[in-house]
Amino acid sequence: GAVVSQHPSWVICKSGTSVKIECRSLDFQATTMFWYRQFPKQSLMLMATSNEGSKATYEQGVEKDKFLINHASLTLSTLTVTSAHPEDSSFYICSATRVEQYFGPGTRLTVT
Amino acid sequence: KNEVEQSPQNLTAQEGEFITINCSYSVGISALHWLQQHPGGGIVSLFMLSSGKKKHGRLIATINIQEKHSSLHITASHPRDSAVYICAARYYGGSQGNLIFGKGTKLSVKP
Repeated sequence: GAVVSQHPSWVICKSGTSVKIECRSLDFQATTMFWYRQFPKQSLMLMATSNEGSKATYEQGVEKDKFLINHASLTLSTLTVTSAHPEDSSFYICSATRVEQYFGPGTRLTVT
Repeated sequence: KNEVEQSPQNLTAQEGEFITINCSYSVGISALHWLQQHPGGGIVSLFMLSSGKKKHGRLIATINIQEKHSSLHITASHPRDSAVYICAARYYGGSQGNLIFGKGTKLSVKP
């Protein structure tokens, strides 16, 4: 089946630094990718929809200047958490669509 | 408000038992997903369905549009089935990624 990968799988960074998370569709081209966030013991929440070659569409309440999304190619979308703070610590998951929706394994971000 | 409710929240079973996890939702969905999230966090998409029934190995997913209800069944459960099972609904008018997720059912299968 279709595979979506994320890198890194976990990252620890200091407050104030920026972190980039990559999402790749390994065996298919995805014109649209989605970024989700999951707090401990909570449901996933859609953050933004990433379209190749155009600006991402952010959900209400998500700061676009803090969570920069770039969809550089049909197989790669990146999420950059800028000036990270401890409250940004979370599990970030991407997904890509080819008929059905395929989820990446997630990236656990811890900001100290 | 579009919501997705799952039951039970937690489920412990003995190996070999038949498992049922339930999901109910509000009106007007275009698709319903069943996902499996392992302890490390990774998510696997099990099924996407909009009507009827789908089967893959020991897993069966059904949906009843009139009842606004879906079930995930696991036959001959095994400890490796231990995970959190999440249903997620895509309501009409939402983008493909704009899923409303249930809070998940944590399944533990004991040997």
